[in-house]
Amino acid sequence: AQSVTQPDIHITVSEGASLELRCNYSYGATPYLFWYVQSPGQGLQLLLKYFSGDTLVQGIKGFEAEFKRSQSSFNLRKPSVHWSDAAEYFCAVYQTGANNLFFGTGTRLTVIP
Amino acid sequence: NAGVMQNPRHLVRRRGQEARLRCSPMKGHSHVYWYRQLPEEGLKFMVYLQKENIIDESGMPKERFSAEFPKEGPSILRIQQVVRGDSAAYFCASSQEPYSNQPQHFGDGTRLSIL
Repeated sequence: AQSVTQPDIHITVSEGASLELRCNYSYGATPYLFWYVQSPGQGLQLLLKYFSGDTLVQGIKGFEAEFKRSQSSFNLRKPSVHWSDAAEYFCAVYQTGANNLFFGTGTRLTVIP
Repeated sequence: NAGVMQNPRHLVRRRGQEARLRCSPMKGHSHVYWYRQLPEEGLKFMVYLQKENIIDESGMPKERFSAEFPKEGPSILRIQQVVRGDSAAYFCASSQEPYSNQPQHFGDGTRLSIL
């Protein structure tokens, strides 16, 4: 069965520092992978997605993620965090033939001045 | 606004009442998905519908919960005889293609509180 693990429940970084949010998945075939961001009281906004091809994916708001098959990982990165990036981040996996996304439990990002 | 529209944004019910949550998909999307987010958890799939059809309700509780997506009008998630454990944020997503590897676009959710 597929699963998505986000090992970090809460991360705090200083504004301007770099960021990496971890995501590991368990799935037999090559999955389709997504990162979503959720601001308080809001819905989910798609940051980026990986379907195939180049394993380094660029997204909106300066985010990128790298698919590493050998590590079953799809970590999200940003070189310089802004205060407005404070939010909850969800990694999600789509399994071919399924009807839905499988979500990790999320990582809450706090940005300090 | 051509995004996924959900209403109400907040809904308060007393135990035993009914809750109705509405979702209008993005323009051109005919596939609707409902997810539930419990506090401090990720989203969990509930049901997938196309117009007038329930395709997959494997994530829906067997009792008290139902969903529909009529030919005209929004998709409705209905919870009968609500209990405290139903308190959650309910999100609707839509996509253009079925069995979608296309991104699902999410609404802002309905926060349901049960008194």
